[in-house]
Amino acid sequence: SQQGEEDPQALSIQEGENATMNCSYKTSINNLQWYRQNSGRGLVHLILIRSNEREKHSGRLRVTLDTSKKSSSLLITASRAADTASYFCATDRSNTGKLIFGQGTTLQVKP
Amino acid sequence: DTEVTQTPKHLVMGMTNKKSLKCEQHMGHRAMYWYKQKAKKPPELMFVYSYEKLSINESVPSRFSPECPNSSLLNLHLHALQPEDSALYLCASSRTPDPDTQYFGPGTRLTVL
Repeated sequence: SQQGEEDPQALSIQEGENATMNCSYKTSINNLQWYRQNSGRGLVHLILIRSNEREKHSGRLRVTLDTSKKSSSLLITASRAADTASYFCATDRSNTGKLIFGQGTTLQVKP
Repeated sequence: DTEVTQTPKHLVMGMTNKKSLKCEQHMGHRAMYWYKQKAKKPPELMFVYSYEKLSINESVPSRFSPECPNSSLLNLHLHALQPEDSALYLCASSRTPDPDTQYFGPGTRLTVL
């Protein structure tokens, strides 16, 4: 069953601009994670935010979580061409390690 | 060592072949996962191994057979696959099966002819 929806599906920005991606989910969660995937390669974990947290920062990344709205956002500040990738949110409802991924946002950062 | 390795990188097989995908991690993680990812789609969970025991099978067809010989190794045995099984197969691991960061390997690109 699909848990996460992301928008936009695709985003194209210039280097130096900020990129914001949104994720919505349907049921209660333990945590929400964001992953990046460069074309045809494995996923890289970016950040994990727990259900009792509202905001988290890691370098140029800022993640917010609103459990009342069942939504999260990922902000990448001062984007670089190397940030070009697909970004997925993933939720874990049970304590089984079962992650359910959103459909993803494809980000293109133009130099 | 924070790496998950997968072999082979690419695999082409016929529908009557038997092949295996291999995944290895040396981070001491006790949970390992297989995911399937079709082009332009998110990864979909196939199997979860927790402390070397199969804990989740997401109703995967029996032509896919997972095996966890020890805490560092995870195999996926393939037999009588269909062309629609062509996809990127990703392995991941985490310290425990609790809600935690998963570390992904680079994947095996499988093509079934």
